[in-house]
Amino acid sequence: TQLLEQSPQFLSIQEGENLTVYCNSSSVFSSLQWYRQEPGEGPVLLVTVVTGGEVKKLKRLTFQFGDARKDSSLHITAAQPGDTGLYLCAGSGSSGTYKYIFGTGTRLKVLA
Amino acid sequence: DTGVSQDPRHKITKRGQNVTFRCDPISEHNRLYWYRQTLGQGPEFLTYFQNEAQLEKSRLLSDRFSAERPKGSFSTLEIQRTEQGDSAMYLCASRAGATNEKLFFGSGTQLSVL
Repeated sequence: TQLLEQSPQFLSIQEGENLTVYCNSSSVFSSLQWYRQEPGEGPVLLVTVVTGGEVKKLKRLTFQFGDARKDSSLHITAAQPGDTGLYLCAGSGSSGTYKYIFGTGTRLKVLA
Repeated sequence: DTGVSQDPRHKITKRGQNVTFRCDPISEHNRLYWYRQTLGQGPEFLTYFQNEAQLEKSRLLSDRFSAERPKGSFSTLEIQRTEQGDSAMYLCASRAGATNEKLFFGSGTQLSVL
């Protein structure tokens, strides 16, 4: 069974703090994507990483793909209330399957 | 491009009834996915279509679940003899054919089985 474990499961922080969310698996993926989901809506893509060791920055968000392409992290600098949401990692391209495998999710709440 | 559309947004049904959900993907996307999501969890894969062909099904998809994509455009997901454990958000996503393309999700159908 291919699993993507995310940690922490819940995170409540004050505006301006930094945080890191982790996504780990025993499987190798050809790409790893991060999505954010608001209540009552579908997930929306933030970034795709495809190369082991790759680092991508999107304003205050920094994404890293592990060298072995089994894990990833999302770091948010100076969190804002607008960052509140459910963050999901998703792996694709694992052998023998077409599906995108989603992580267990990290629910972030940023307090003003 | 109006995005991925799902209908209905909400469905309340009694245990034992059948329900059907519809998904209209982005028009040029030939790949379509169905996922199920419970509160606070990540989406769980149900099934995948490439054009009209159903190429992968999860073992979560019991014989009460069936999905179709008859002309390679819209798709339907039917649940027969619903159970309370079927209560969840059912999400549809589509994507273009290139490798590592992002998934575009609909807003989902929230199913409540009483």
